[in-house]
This record gives sequence, structure tokens and C-alpha cells, in this order.
Amino acid sequence: AQSVTQLDSHVSVSEGTPVLLRCNYSSSYSPSLFWYVQHPNKGLQLLLKYTSAATLVKGINGFEAEFKKSETSFHLTKPSAHMSDAAEYFCVVSDRFGGDMRFGAGTRLTVKP
Amino acid sequence: DVKVTQSSRYLVKRTGEKVFLECVQDMDHENMFWYRQDPGLGLRLIYFSYDVKMKEKGDIPEGYSVSREKKERFSLILESASTNQTSMYLCASTRADTDTQYFGPGTRLTVL
Repeated sequence: AQSVTQLDSHVSVSEGTPVLLRCNYSSSYSPSLFWYVQHPNKGLQLLLKYTSAATLVKGINGFEAEFKKSETSFHLTKPSAHMSDAAEYFCVVSDRFGGDMRFGAGTRLTVKP
Repeated sequence: DVKVTQSSRYLVKRTGEKVFLECVQDMDHENMFWYRQDPGLGLRLIYFSYDVKMKEKGDIPEGYSVSREKKERFSLILESASTNQTSMYLCASTRADTDTQYFGPGTRLTVL
């Protein structure tokens, strides 16, 4: 069985400072891992995806995530937060066949001016 | 670009009503999914379909049914709406050979 734990339900940063959203996963397979972003009253948009090609994955809007198998982690980072980054972020693990995707509970990112 | 559309952004229904939520995708994807999203719980899978007229239960199918008569359309049905089905409902689709899901904008359903 697969599962995802997002370690923070809410993260608050100041504009221009780094962002770190933490995610730990559990999987019996060699998983796919995703980060999705959801802006208020919108659907989910794919930020980035890990599929074993490279452990450091670059996504859209300056975000990146590093797959660490020894720590079973897939934390999302960005060097400098922008006001438009304020949203909810979901970490997702998949068995690669699409039939068993597990979503984390979400982390709400607030960016202060 | 993949486009997934949902028939309504906001919906208000009364307890006991039959409710239809429609989802359409325009990229010929084989797989389609219905989730509900609740604060603190993330997304939970209700049903998914990997082909026309095929369906599989997800984690929380109770109180819901689905219909997929055409490849591009996947409907979620609440046979008799209840207040605990007040939620955000999200539809997603993907090709059969990948697990990257594309999401619609969601339908916020309120059951009074």
C-alpha cells in the first residue's frame, strides 16, 4: 500500500525568501511522485513529476523537488517566494499505472509582503 | 493542451435530490477519475474508469455511482444527496500509458 505524509499543513514565508514544503512517502514499488498546486477555486495543476530519470526534478514557476530514497522524501523547494505562489500544494505518490494514486492532505502556503 | 471541463463550478441541491456531475475531456484519454476534496483530507478517489462502460470503485464509493457511455465523458451521480456529500468534486483524466493526471476546475457542491 502507498501513502503520503505532508509534514506541514500550513507554511508561511515572506516574499523573496526560500520555500520548503515537506513530503514523505511510503511505497512498495518504485513510485512516481508528483507535486500539484491548487490556486483558490481552481483545479489542480501539475508542478513537477519524478519517474526515476533524475533525482532532482525541475518544475514550472521555479519550483524543484529532490527524490531521496534513503529518507523516503520528496520535498518541494523554491529559492525565492513570490506572492503568486500562495496556494495549496499536494504531494502525490503513484504506482506508475495510474490506478492507485495517493494524495497528501495538502500544505497551504502563505506569502507575506 | 489537455482540457478537462466540468459542467458546473457551483451547485446547490437539497437533501434527497438526484445530482449529476458531468466531466468532459478533449484529449482522447482512456482513463478518467472522480475525486472529492475536503479540508485536511486531500483528495480521495470515488470512482475511476479505464474504458467506455468500465468502472472501478475507489476508496469512498458509497452513495455514488458513475456512468461512462462515451470515451470523453464521465458522469458522477449522487442517487440521493445528503449533507455529508457537501464537498469539492474534481474530475481528472490520463492516457492509459501514463499516470500524469489532468484536472478539471472542480465543482463545489452544497447539499442543504
